[in-house]
Parts: sequence; C-alpha cells; structure tokens
Amino acid sequence: GAGVSQSPRYKVAKRGQDVALRCDPISGHVSLFWYQQALGQGPEFLTYFQNEAQLDKSGLPSDRFFAERPEGSVSTLKIQRTQQEDSAVYLCASSLRLSGASTDTQYFGPGTRLTVL
Amino acid sequence: AQSVTQLGSHVSVSEGALVLLRCNYSSSVPPYLFWYVQYPNQGLQLLLKYTTGATLVKGINGFEAEFKKSETSFHLTKPSAHMSDAAEYFCAVSDSGGYQKVTFGTGTKLQVIP
Repeated sequence: GAGVSQSPRYKVAKRGQDVALRCDPISGHVSLFWYQQALGQGPEFLTYFQNEAQLDKSGLPSDRFFAERPEGSVSTLKIQRTQQEDSAVYLCASSLRLSGASTDTQYFGPGTRLTVL
Repeated sequence: AQSVTQLGSHVSVSEGALVLLRCNYSSSVPPYLFWYVQYPNQGLQLLLKYTTGATLVKGINGFEAEFKKSETSFHLTKPSAHMSDAAEYFCAVSDSGGYQKVTFGTGTKLQVIP
C-alpha cells in the first residue's frame, strides 16, 4: 500500500484482557514510531524503532506495554492486562530515515482506537 | 525539557477569513518545529516544518508559519479559510533534530463557518 496502515481500526477489550495492535509502515521506511493519543490531547511518544532495533522505549507507560518489530518492517504494540486508562487512539508513524530534516517526512497511519471497558 | 502551548482549543473563522492558530514553544536548544493537521478518523498529516534557514515556512494547502525566536512562537496562518480546512491542528517541537522525541501540543480545532 501507499501509506501506513494499522489494524484493527477499532478494538474493544474488557479490563484485564491482552490486546495486540499492528502497524504496517511504508515499504522501505527505516524508522517506526508509536504514539498514544488520549481523548482531547495531542499524541504522546511511546517508542521508536530503527529497523528491528528498539532505540527508545522511554514513553511506554508501564511494563504492561511491549512493542516489537522483529524483521524491521511490521510492528506490533502489545498491551497486557488492559486497564481503563489505556483507552486511547494508538498511532503509528514511519519515516524513511531517522532525521527530522527537511528532506524527510513522517507519515502517520489512521490509528487504532482502543476502548477498555 | 521541551514543551508546546497552543492558545485556544477551539477557533472559529468565517469562510474566506484569515486563519491564525497560535503556538508557543519552549526548548533549551534550537528547535525543530512542526504543524500537523488531523481530519476525523484519520492520522496526522504534516503541514509544514521548520528545521533551519528561512524562518517563514510554506506548507501544503496554502498554510504558512513563521519561526520567531525572540517570541518563541511558530504561529500558523492561511490568508483565506476554506470549508475543507475544518480539522484539528497540532503544533509540535523536537529538540533532538529527529522525530524520536517530538512533543505535541494539545491541539486546536478549527471550525469554518459558511
């Protein structure tokens, strides 16, 4: 596909369930980012990968959150034992390189809206 | 630590009127600054960004922003609003030069009145 895709688009989970959110970046993009966007807020950084290496996971809110990108393309964000405060839109973005220079652009997927009941 | 403040969570303008969305930032080093637009049920789309060089940055859809270091501002403007501009706009800052630690503002919802 031409853009970043995410699945599922909507997920409803009961408190305590585990969920897995998928991100397919643009083919060939080296960098991949995950953000959490709570209702009425701007996105907040969770973690990022350069190829398969997770270079920064400082934004993950707890050890219940885990992300992987084993082959340097598709990434999965897993949330264990979901809590109501995990309800948010989870955005994935990719860029060709790491740099934010004017020659590069970060492309966002449509997000996965997670609702924890 | 870096931060972004967007003044006004909701802004209404008439179609054809000037659009002005305000953004002030805080950064301990020369910042990279971004404006994104988010349409309902869609991901963020980059409107424009300032990295280095010319302080007046032109973006897509007729938007532009000016980096004013003395005022620590990066306000977004468009001379004439279209109905299709109705969306939520996010200002963001990075002091790392890369996307890995971008800090977003809380967003401004733009309403365009016919």
